[in-house]
Amino acid sequence: AQSVTQLDSQVPVFEEAPVELRCNYSSSVSVYLFWYVQYPNQGLQLLLKYLSGSTLVKGINGFEAEFNKSQTSFHLRKPSVHISDTAEYFCAVTPGYIPTFGRGTSLIVHP
Amino acid sequence: DTGVSQNPRHKITKRGQNVTFRCDPISEHNRLYWYRQTLGQGPEFLTYFQNEAQLEKSRLLSDRFSAERPKGSFSTLEIQRTEQGDSAMYLCASSLNIDGDRGGVGQFFGPGTRLTVL
Repeated sequence: AQSVTQLDSQVPVFEEAPVELRCNYSSSVSVYLFWYVQYPNQGLQLLLKYLSGSTLVKGINGFEAEFNKSQTSFHLRKPSVHISDTAEYFCAVTPGYIPTFGRGTSLIVHP
Repeated sequence: DTGVSQNPRHKITKRGQNVTFRCDPISEHNRLYWYRQTLGQGPEFLTYFQNEAQLEKSRLLSDRFSAERPKGSFSTLEIQRTEQGDSAMYLCASSLNIDGDRGGVGQFFGPGTRLTVL
């Protein structure tokens, strides 16, 4: 079985500041890793995913994430956030077809 | 591509009643998933289909829950004899999977059906 820990339930940040949302996972087998974003009253939307290869993955809306196998982490970063980035962010892992999601991190961007 | 749609968006029911939700996936997607999401939690897997075949159900899924995907298109999730603990957001997602992809394809989510059991 696998598990996902999102270390921060809320991350407040000012507009144009950098941000990092943390995700750690545990699994006895190799996994695929995902970040999803959920805007209010909307479904989850895929931001980016890591399958193999380069450990730095770039996604939509200027987000990127780095896979660190030794630390079993997949932290999400953005160098400069915008008000419109305010949303809930979910990290997910899967060794196969059924993903396990973290509890989510609420990113709150202040003007 | 109109995305994944779910109906109804909101459902309020009394304890003990049966409810049914519908999910229409992206038309060419062969996989369809149901999740439950409660406040402050991430989506929790319930079940998934490959075309019309239900391949796996969560061990947490009560016998009161049943899902179908006739003809491999839309899907329904029925909850019988609802309980207050069933109150949650029910999410549907779909994906296009090919042999050997081992689940590396991301999923497309619908907006969810919010169930409130009084």
